[in-house]
Amino acid sequence: DVKVTQSSRYLVKRTGEKVFLECVQDMDHENMFWYRQDPGLGLRLIYFSYDVKMKEKGDIPEGYSVSREKKERFSLILESASTNQTSMYLCASSIAGPHQPQHFGDGTRLSIL
Amino acid sequence: AQRVTQPEKLLSVFKGAPVELKCNYSYSGSPELFWYVQYSRQRLQLLLRHISRESIKGFTADLNKGETSFHLKKPFAQEEDSAMYYCALPLTGGGNKLTFGTGTQLKVEL
Repeated sequence: DVKVTQSSRYLVKRTGEKVFLECVQDMDHENMFWYRQDPGLGLRLIYFSYDVKMKEKGDIPEGYSVSREKKERFSLILESASTNQTSMYLCASSIAGPHQPQHFGDGTRLSIL
Repeated sequence: AQRVTQPEKLLSVFKGAPVELKCNYSYSGSPELFWYVQYSRQRLQLLLRHISRESIKGFTADLNKGETSFHLKKPFAQEEDSAMYYCALPLTGGGNKLTFGTGTQLKVEL
């Protein structure tokens, strides 16, 4: 069974801090994703990576960056946290190839004060 | 642009009643759509996908290209079906990227 692990379930940070959200998958998946989940807005893709050191912007990349130094780990970075980045963040992974489902982590509920 | 629309934020039904969660998409080709479900305090998980044409937990979904819909149906709702349901459409350009609808909260009442 695929396991996608997000390092923190809940996180509270202050405005202006640099925040790191970590995600690890154990199934050797090529693709990894970061979403934010907000009520009434569904899931919105922040960034996507299809290989080590490869990344692609999603729909809402502003204020975020990512790092993928190893295949199993995909980090989301909030360069200077702001209150409008308070949200639930979901990490997902999938194998390469068409029509493959994504497997999600438990999510990190991030509050920026 | 590729888009998924779920018109209902909340759907409330009684136990044993039929359920239909609506999903409409905009895509010019032949899409391979997904339904994902998130139960309370659990991770988002795949419920079913069009390509496999399977029935999971009594749910089915049929692709209607004429109406550009992929509605999720179940003939008799159970209390444990209460959850948030998302319809998702793969984006062109590869990488298995998905665009999700805004979700429908299903509440099954006794």
